[in-house]
Amino acid sequence: GESVGLHLPTLSVQEGDNSIINCAYSNSASDYFIWYKQESGKGPQFIIDIRSNMDKRQGQRVTVLLNKTVKHLSLQIAATQPGDSAVYFCAENGTGRRALTFGSGTRLQVQP
Amino acid sequence: DAGVIQSPRHEVTEMGQEVTLRCKPISGHDYLFWYRQTMMRGLELLIYFNNNVPIDDSGMPEDRFSAKMPNASFSTLKIQPSEPRDSAVYFCASSARTGGNEKLFFGSGTQLSVL
Repeated sequence: GESVGLHLPTLSVQEGDNSIINCAYSNSASDYFIWYKQESGKGPQFIIDIRSNMDKRQGQRVTVLLNKTVKHLSLQIAATQPGDSAVYFCAENGTGRRALTFGSGTRLQVQP
Repeated sequence: DAGVIQSPRHEVTEMGQEVTLRCKPISGHDYLFWYRQTMMRGLELLIYFNNNVPIDDSGMPEDRFSAKMPNASFSTLKIQPSEPRDSAVYFCASSARTGGNEKLFFGSGTQLSVL
């Protein structure tokens, strides 16, 4: 069936370190992937997205890597800051579908 | 742009009462989505609209839930009668068909507590 899941429920890092959040997906037809950040009491906020015809995309301090062979997606945050503390969700949208299917989320805790 | 606007931010009601959640999408967006978030089930799609027409309502839990979009700038999600298990955060999101970009913009959500 279609599902998007995260391996690690909580990730704790030191301020200034790089963070890597992982996500596995099972729908081989998925062609669009996206990462959201959700802070307490707020709605999910867009971070970065990537299409299946790419394997890497960079933004400001963030990089998304896509490995279609093993159906794996990762979000890398460089020089993690306290403001990065939040829950991070990956989501996918298979071909022909407009709605996003979300993973279960990973909580990132940044220690000062 | 003010973003997606949801109201109320918090709703506390008693079991059996009717609850109506409201959403104003971003102007110009032609897709509107209702999601529900709980600790147990995460973010679940309930229903989505395209040009005010419901496209997929397979995520709506049961007949107690209904959603409408009378015009491009307003949608409601109604629960009647409400039950304690409906307690969750309900998010509305919108998106625009621009070059196949499916990026959703979320509102701040409505925290619903059914006692």
